[in-house]
Amino acid sequence: EPEVTQTPSHQVTQMGQEVILRCVPISNHLYFYWYRQILGQKVEFLVSFYNNEISEKSEIFDDQFSVERPDGSNFTLKIRSTKLEDSAMYFCASSAGTGTGNEQYFGPGTRLTVT
Amino acid sequence: GQNIDQPTEMTATEGAIVQINCTYQTSGFNGLFWYQQHAGEAPTFLSYNVLDGLEEKGRFSSFLSRSKGYSYLLLKELQMKDSASYLCAVRWLHNYGQNFVFGPGTRLSVLP
Repeated sequence: EPEVTQTPSHQVTQMGQEVILRCVPISNHLYFYWYRQILGQKVEFLVSFYNNEISEKSEIFDDQFSVERPDGSNFTLKIRSTKLEDSAMYFCASSAGTGTGNEQYFGPGTRLTVT
Repeated sequence: GQNIDQPTEMTATEGAIVQINCTYQTSGFNGLFWYQQHAGEAPTFLSYNVLDGLEEKGRFSSFLSRSKGYSYLLLKELQMKDSASYLCAVRWLHNYGQNFVFGPGTRLSVLP
């Protein structure tokens, strides 16, 4: 069964450093998403991406964040200058569409630890 | 802003039926999702409702009432492996597209 993959599974970085989280969505999916989940808290939507551009972003997704689909298979989330509060699990998800019956498939997540 | 409420924790017995409720604000509503999340793992999709009524999928069913801003997830014949958090998420349409908001999740413990 096709699945969303994410690398690395765990990333440790120092405050102020740039990190890039990588995702490979399911190959025939058209909509891509990033979510984060701070330990013990709820899942929070960050951004959705369709047709090579951001279709929606939350208030969390400020200028420190960016997304890219550099080569038609990878979907990346970049945090330019990490802060302690960016420590969280970051989930990538993809879906075939946004209409009835489509569902988002989540990757296993990348645990980001900012020290 | 959008707000979703779910009970924080529930406990049930193996073999029983449990209903997990979710309430949300109704303006701009464009679909409600239920996910299961085991500790330390990613959410996995369970169900999707956009019209009123009941959607059944094996041991899991989900109900939606758009006028009441209310949904529930019904789990039948509970098994130990059903111990997990259950997340209600709503998709809202607005002027600039759509947004997804997750509820806080309900942690279900299934006891033998």
